[in-house]
Amino acid sequence: DQQVKQNSPSLSVQEGRISILNCDYTNSMFDYFLWYKKYPAEGPTFLISISSIKDKNEDGRFTVFLNKSAKHLSLHIVPSQPGDSAVYFCAAYQGAQKLVFGQGTRLTINP
Amino acid sequence: DVKVTQSSRYLVKRTGEKVFLECVQDMDHENMFWYRQDPGLGLRLIYFSYDVKMKEKGDIPEGYSVSREKKERFSLILESASTNQTSMYLCASRVDGEKLFFGSGTQLSVL
Repeated sequence: DQQVKQNSPSLSVQEGRISILNCDYTNSMFDYFLWYKKYPAEGPTFLISISSIKDKNEDGRFTVFLNKSAKHLSLHIVPSQPGDSAVYFCAAYQGAQKLVFGQGTRLTINP
Repeated sequence: DVKVTQSSRYLVKRTGEKVFLECVQDMDHENMFWYRQDPGLGLRLIYFSYDVKMKEKGDIPEGYSVSREKKERFSLILESASTNQTSMYLCASRVDGEKLFFGSGTQLSVL
């Protein structure tokens, strides 16, 4: 039972354009969401987060949008750079301890 | 700088062997976690610990156990390794309410 879903296994974007990664969740009790980025042979690294009391959070080229009524969040990367090529995981806190992850989306930025 | 260290990057074991995966963090974090990452399934929580000698089952604890004798160290134990435990294992730590910091991962192959 996948409570956090990333339905696109992969995404390919031209360098300089916008990358949009999507994530859906089923549990309305989730109240804090995070995006992690993972390069091959490395552990995931934190990218950006958003609380359920907000609908947008921005950090440089990265913006996360939360639509609570649709149980949907998205990560926008503008402009996309070659170093952004990685696997991106969406995650949500279930209670105070458990972080539940999605399946991941592999983003490829083409020159 | 935050550091979570996993003792091995790659391990190859035989079916039926007892396997120990070690993780050490230097941030005095109370909470430590073991995840496994599999293609198409994302990161799934195996076990976590919120204090020394305390442990909680995650979503997929079957076939695993853990040990936390010291605050900085969290061990994952495969009592009798099986081929379906071939995976990337990721250790993480955090303080309450904060983001997870991950180690670089251990790629375990069980033959």
